[in-house]
Amino acid sequence: DTAVSQTPKYLVTQMGNDKSIKCEQNLGHDTMYWYKQDSKKFLKIMFSYNNKELIINETVPNRFSPKSPDKAHLNLHINSLELGDSAVYFCASSQGGVEEQYFGPGTRLTVT
Amino acid sequence: GQNIDQPTEMTATEGAIVQINCTYQTSGFNGLFWYQQHAGEAPTFLSYNVLDGLEEKGRFSSFLSRSKGYSYLLLKELQMKDSASYLCAVDRNDYKLSFGAGTTVTVRA
Repeated sequence: DTAVSQTPKYLVTQMGNDKSIKCEQNLGHDTMYWYKQDSKKFLKIMFSYNNKELIINETVPNRFSPKSPDKAHLNLHINSLELGDSAVYFCASSQGGVEEQYFGPGTRLTVT
Repeated sequence: GQNIDQPTEMTATEGAIVQINCTYQTSGFNGLFWYQQHAGEAPTFLSYNVLDGLEEKGRFSSFLSRSKGYSYLLLKELQMKDSASYLCAVDRNDYKLSFGAGTTVTVRA
């Protein structure tokens, strides 16, 4: 009965490949997020969806494309992976915008 | 830009008290969150301050001064399991949360 789940937990791939990370929440929340945490531990928001609509799109290369098929799912597709994409990607959800966010376990992406 | 500053590391002894400061300058401010993140794990919510003052929750307390752009997280009666990173995050409004780089707290026996 995990609240926010992500798959895969680890992803190792080569430069130039395309990969996807999936996220699901069973909390009934309206808002979902993608964050990137780099090696210096900075957690930066990438995207946010509210009721399947994109509401935040921070300065992120357009190689990154989020998709929300329904309000319980938010997937992240990355094209033409680069070395600098190596990081831990966290999915999160909240009920509205000012509630606490619940984070998934993270996906550690390593690009070689 | 968004500036959220907190110390990089702090070390304290089991049973002691540690205060983690956070100063911020952001475009937009609704409130301030504190999250705890153990190594290799997801951040988990500790507190959310909207109004000035101190909010206490068990061994953890959080303080906010909006006029000074300042917050702190106070950890009392430190336990070994409190060794973690503590992230200060500003709720900028419109669903945007800006995080500081985190303070790694090491608790020694």
